[in-house]
Order: sequence, then structure tokens, then C-alpha cells
Amino acid sequence: AQTVTQSQPEMSVQEAETVTLSCTYDTSENNYYLFWYKQPPSRQMILVIRQEAYKQQNATENRFSVNFQKAAKSFSLKISDSQLGDTAMYFCAFMKSGGSNYKLTFGKGTLLTVNP
Amino acid sequence: NAGVMQNPRHLVRRRGQEARLRCSPMKGHSHVYWYRQLPEEGLKFMVYLQKENIIDESGMPKERFSAEFPKEGPSILRIQQVVRGDSAAYFCASSPQTGAGDTQYFGPGTRLTVL
Repeated sequence: AQTVTQSQPEMSVQEAETVTLSCTYDTSENNYYLFWYKQPPSRQMILVIRQEAYKQQNATENRFSVNFQKAAKSFSLKISDSQLGDTAMYFCAFMKSGGSNYKLTFGKGTLLTVNP
Repeated sequence: NAGVMQNPRHLVRRRGQEARLRCSPMKGHSHVYWYRQLPEEGLKFMVYLQKENIIDESGMPKERFSAEFPKEGPSILRIQQVVRGDSAAYFCASSPQTGAGDTQYFGPGTRLTVL
């Protein structure tokens, strides 16, 4: 079974600075997908970014980028120019590839607070 | 394009009552997933449905819980004879197709409180 570990329960950053959230996972699969979801105080789950394991290039979405290290099974999220609206719980998630694989396995989350 | 809709957003039940949670997927999506989030935890998969079919319910408790996704209307997660341990946030997600890492889009969740 896959496991996803987020070792930082809480983090804080000053507005406009850069912060990196850590995520490691354990799997014997070679092909899979990784996701970061954001859950602001409204509790809505919002997709931030996704990465296909077969792609060496790290995914980016505006101020959000990932550092995907497949050999190390690491998938960290970097948020540049942090904004107050980035304050949220961030969840890393894993999904196997192929066939009827569809279950997302989530980590326990990292609570990020952006301070003015 | 409206997102995934869930209602009610908050639901309070007394022990022994029934809870019905509804989920309308995004337009054009025919695959629905239910997840449960206990306090201080990540989301845990419960069940995956397509129209009129339960594909995988391996994450759902064997007793008291059931789910359906009829040909017409929303998907329903039903919890009979609720207990305090059922208090959680229940999230529904949908995707246009499954497999190949298809992205799942989540609704706002239903927060169930059992008194």
C-alpha cells in the first residue's frame, strides 16, 4: 500500500517570501501521479498542482512549483511571493497510474500561515 | 461551469438517526468519489461510483454506510444509525473519466456532527 508523509504539521512565512512544503511517499510503482491540494478555512479542496511521475520536468503553476525527486520519492511544493490568501492546509496526494487506479492517498497535511 | 456541488454544507444528527449527503458532479463528469476527513487527518477514500454502478467500495465501513449514483439525480451517501465516530467532513469529487491519473475535482464538503 502507498503511504504519503508530510513531516511538517505547521509552517509560517512572511508575506512576499518563499516557502517550501515537504512531502515524501512510499511506493513500489514506477508510474504514478502526485498532487498538491489546498484547503483554505472555507474547507474547500482546491487542486494546486499535479505531476506525472514519467515526466522529468517539474510542474509549475504561476507562483507554485514542485521539486520532484523520483529516486528519493520526494515531492515538495514551493510557493513564491507568498500571499495572505495562501494561508491554508496543504495536502500532498498520490495516485497509481493505469488501469482502474483512481484512489487518492493523502498525507496528513501541513498548515501554512502567511503573516503580513 | 459549476463545480461539484454538495449539500447540505452542515448536518447535525442525533445518535441513531440517518444522515443523507448529496453530491452533484461537475457537468460532463460521470465518475464520483467519496472521501472522509476526520479531525486533524487527511482525506480517506470511501467509495467510487459511476452512473448506476458501485465500482469500488473498499474504503467504506461494511455496516450502516451505503452509496448510490442513480441514472438521474445526485449521488447519495447514506449513513444509518449514526454514531459519534461518524462526525467528520465528507467530501465528494468527480472526474470526467477514470484511470491515467485523471484529476479529481472536489466539492466543498458536508460537515456532519453527531450529538
